Amino acid sequence: AQSVTQPDIHITVSEGASLELRCNYSYGATPYLFWYVQSPGQGLQLLLKYFSGDTLVQGIKGFEAEFKRSQSSFNLRKPSVHWSDAAEYFCAVGKGSGGGADGLTFGKGTHLIIQP
Amino acid sequence: GAVVSQHPSWVICKSGTSVKIECRSLDFQATTMFWYRQFPKQSLMLMATSNEGSKATYEQGVEKDKFLINHASLTLSTLTVTSAHPEDSSFYICSASDGGQPQHFGDGTRLSIL
Repeated sequence: AQSVTQPDIHITVSEGASLELRCNYSYGATPYLFWYVQSPGQGLQLLLKYFSGDTLVQGIKGFEAEFKRSQSSFNLRKPSVHWSDAAEYFCAVGKGSGGGADGLTFGKGTHLIIQP
Repeated sequence: GAVVSQHPSWVICKSGTSVKIECRSLDFQATTMFWYRQFPKQSLMLMATSNEGSKATYEQGVEKDKFLINHASLTLSTLTVTSAHPEDSSFYICSASDGGQPQHFGDGTRLSIL
């Protein structure tokens, strides 16, 4: 069965500093990988996705992520965070074989706190 | 594009009643819809997958008689929590797909059972 590990429950970063959120996955085939952001009491917004091709993917709001198959990782990065980036971040994995959509398996999330 | 609307956003009801949550895709045809449950400060757990016109597929441990899912059209899926009890209180989120990834998520429904 597939699984996703986000080892950091909380991360505190100063505004303007760089950010890296870690994500490791376990999956037997080529996965579809996602990063979502959730503000309190809200649904999920897709930041970026990896399906195939270039292992460095660009997303919205200045985020990027790098897929490293050898490390089974898909870490999220941002060079300079803003106070509005404070939220819960979820890494997710889905089936990547064939067409159709499958339910996603989510990590437990990382709560990002921005210090002024 | 790819907007998913979920209604209601918050519902409070008495124990023993049934509650229906709607999930609509506003600008695309959702051949597949998913229902997730999220406990406070925890991750999302997939409850079930529904394809338009077919019976939903439930994840292990999810009671299909408790959580009734209907996906009668390409733009609407409903989740009915039957005979709800306090332990059913949670944040329920739907997502919709036009047949591929990514899925598009609604804003969720906070269900509180008194």
